[in-house]
Amino acid sequence: EDKVVQSPLSLVVHEGDTVTLNCSYEVTNFRSLLWYKQEKKAPTFLFMLTSSGIEKKSGRLSSILDKKELFSILNITATQTGDSAIYLCAVLPNTGNQFYFGTGTSLTVIP
Amino acid sequence: SQTIHQWPATLVQPVGSPLSLECTVEGTSNPNLYWYRQAAGRGLQLLFYSVGIGQISSEVPQNLSASRPQDRQFILSSKKLLLSDSGFYLCAWSVSLGYNEQFFGPGTRLTVL
Repeated sequence: EDKVVQSPLSLVVHEGDTVTLNCSYEVTNFRSLLWYKQEKKAPTFLFMLTSSGIEKKSGRLSSILDKKELFSILNITATQTGDSAIYLCAVLPNTGNQFYFGTGTSLTVIP
Repeated sequence: SQTIHQWPATLVQPVGSPLSLECTVEGTSNPNLYWYRQAAGRGLQLLFYSVGIGQISSEVPQNLSASRPQDRQFILSSKKLLLSDSGFYLCAWSVSLGYNEQFFGPGTRLTVL
C-alpha cells in the first residue's frame, strides 16, 4: 500500500533555530514529491522535487530528495514566528491521478 | 488565472442532518478535482477525486458522497452527518493527466454537534 510518513509530528522551537522536517514514502512509480505550508486555511505550495540530490531553495527554506532512500527533507534556517504552520508532504505517482499526503508536521516557533 | 471557490466557509450542523459543500473552479477546463478532510492539526485525508463529469473515485468508505454535475463543480454530500464528520474540508484541483501541483480552495470548517 502506498504511503507517506512525516516526522516529527510536532515541533516547538525558538526563533532563530534551524529545523529539519522529514518525509519518507513508499509509493509505486514515483513521479514527484511536493511540500506545502498550511497556516490557517488552504495549503500553499513550497517546492516540487523530482530528481535526487538537487536542492530547491527559497529564501530560508530548502528541500532535497533522495530517491534511493525514499525520503525528502525540508530545512528552515533562522526560523521566525511566521514559519509556524503545518508542513505537508505529498507524493504523486506516475500512474493514477491522486496525491498521497503525509500526516503533516506541526511547527511552532516561539519568540 | 485560475481560482477555486468553496462555500460555505464555516458550518455548524446537528448530528443526523444532511450536508452539501460546494466547490467550483474558474479559469481552467477539465480539471482533476479532489475532496480532502483534515482533522485538527493533522494531514490531509483524500476522500474523493474526479477526473471528469460524473466520474467519482472514493478512497475511504464512509457516509459521505461526492458528485460532479458540471466540469468545474464538485459537491460533497451526506444524508446524515455523524459527529466524526467534523473537520476541515478542502477542495483542490490539478491539471488533468497528472500535472504536478494541486491548488487548494479556502476550505470549509464543519462542526457536527
